Amino acid sequence: EAGVVQSPRYKIIEKKQPVAFWCNPISGHNTLYWYLQNLGQGPELLIRYENEEAVDDSQLPKDRFSAERLKGVDSTLKIQPAELGDSAVYLCASSDDRGGTGELFFGEGSRLTVL
Amino acid sequence: AQSVAQPEDQVNVAEGNPLTVKCTYSVSGNPYLFWYVQYPNRGLQFLLKYITGDNLVKGSYGFEAEFNKSQTSFHLKKPSALVSDSALYFCAVRDGMDSSYKLIFGSGTRLLVRP
Repeated sequence: EAGVVQSPRYKIIEKKQPVAFWCNPISGHNTLYWYLQNLGQGPELLIRYENEEAVDDSQLPKDRFSAERLKGVDSTLKIQPAELGDSAVYLCASSDDRGGTGELFFGEGSRLTVL
Repeated sequence: AQSVAQPEDQVNVAEGNPLTVKCTYSVSGNPYLFWYVQYPNRGLQFLLKYITGDNLVKGSYGFEAEFNKSQTSFHLKKPSALVSDSALYFCAVRDGMDSSYKLIFGSGTRLLVRP
């Protein structure tokens, strides 16, 4: 079974440019997460989807970040415009979340460098 | 709100010796506890979890963890460390009574196993 697929793996952009990350979760997983991971730190939740509904986006900086999960499968995370402080790894994860007991399955991440 | 602490930034151990990576947590309700491992330039991989039942849980690659309710701890252990266990380890907690099922990660502990 294929795992969580993310692209691109690496992205280098100039500040103020837009960037988008794509995630394809494990088939059948209704819950999808986007996490931000700074170097040497633990992941921090940006947004969580249940099917196509964003049920927790309280940590998403909505002035520049947006996300969508059309049809409740693939998801895209966008930053526009990017700032130097956005340099980090953006992790996508999915789960078959049975009452919160299910573990998350992570993709390999998209490493963003903003120059 | 839930929180998790990993008091050691790094743990050093010789190959063949037992290892312990510490984790303490704070939740209002029932703790759902997880351990993940991250190898360089990779996403997080699930190791084991405690939801309910036996306090000692066994997981992947010979790792185990003991849930201690009185000390609010969930330390990760392995009887005999391998050089290949060298990686970044994250403890995470959910509050089973919180319907948001938000998963909070610790800051991570780097495990270095020397030959």
